[in-house]
Amino acid sequence: KAGVTQTPRYLIKTRGQQVTLSCSPISGHRSVSWYQQTPGQGLQFLFEYFSETQRNKGNFPGRFSGRQFSNSRSEMNVSTLELGDSALYLCASSRGGTDTQYFGPGTRLTVL
Amino acid sequence: LAKTTQPISMDSYEGQEVNITCSHNNIATNDYITWYQQFPSQGPRFIIQGYKTKVTNEVASLFIPADRKSSTLSLPRVSLSDTAVYYCLVGAANDYKLSFGAGTTVTVRA
Repeated sequence: KAGVTQTPRYLIKTRGQQVTLSCSPISGHRSVSWYQQTPGQGLQFLFEYFSETQRNKGNFPGRFSGRQFSNSRSEMNVSTLELGDSALYLCASSRGGTDTQYFGPGTRLTVL
Repeated sequence: LAKTTQPISMDSYEGQEVNITCSHNNIATNDYITWYQQFPSQGPRFIIQGYKTKVTNEVASLFIPADRKSSTLSLPRVSLSDTAVYYCLVGAANDYKLSFGAGTTVTVRA
C-alpha cells in the first residue's frame, strides 16, 4: 500500500507570496492532519480534516487555511508569507477514530 | 492532553539496547501511549502504541507499569540507522490532534 505523499517536496517563495501544498493520504484514509515543524517550536498542529470537514484547528493565524476533497486529498494554503513561515510542513493520514496517524515526507518551505 | 517528559538526549553504541523512559503523570483513563521516530527532514514514523502492560512488535517493545504514569520504549540491539529523535505522545485513541514534545535525540555510535 502506498504511503502518504506530499507535493512539492521543496519550495522557495518570497515574503508576501502565497503557497499551496498538497497531500495525498493512504488509500482508504479519510482523515488528514497538517503540522508545521520548526527547530524552535517543534511540531505544531495546524488543522485536521475528515470527510471534507475541518474538525479541529490549532493556534495559527487565518493566513493558514486548508481544504479536503471528496477523494480525501487535502491542500494547505498559506497567504502573505512571512519569513517565520519557513518550516517543514507535514501531513498525516488515518482512517479516523482510533487509527494511528501516518506521516508523509513533508514539504520544506523556505521564505526569502 | 497529558504532558510528557522525556530525556533530551541519549547516547549508545551499536548492538546495545536503548531504553527511553517517558513520564506522563496526568495520563487519563482513555489515553494511549504512542511512540514515533523521526529522521532529519522526514516525517515522523509510527513505532509502537500501547495502553497497559507490555507491547512488542518487530521494531521495539513498550513497557507500561500498572499505574501508567510512565512508559519505557525499548530498542533492542540498535544500529547506526537508529540514530533519530524519538517522541512519546499520550492522548485518547481517537485524538487526531497529536501534541509532540521536544523528543529524545538518540545517537548511536560505532
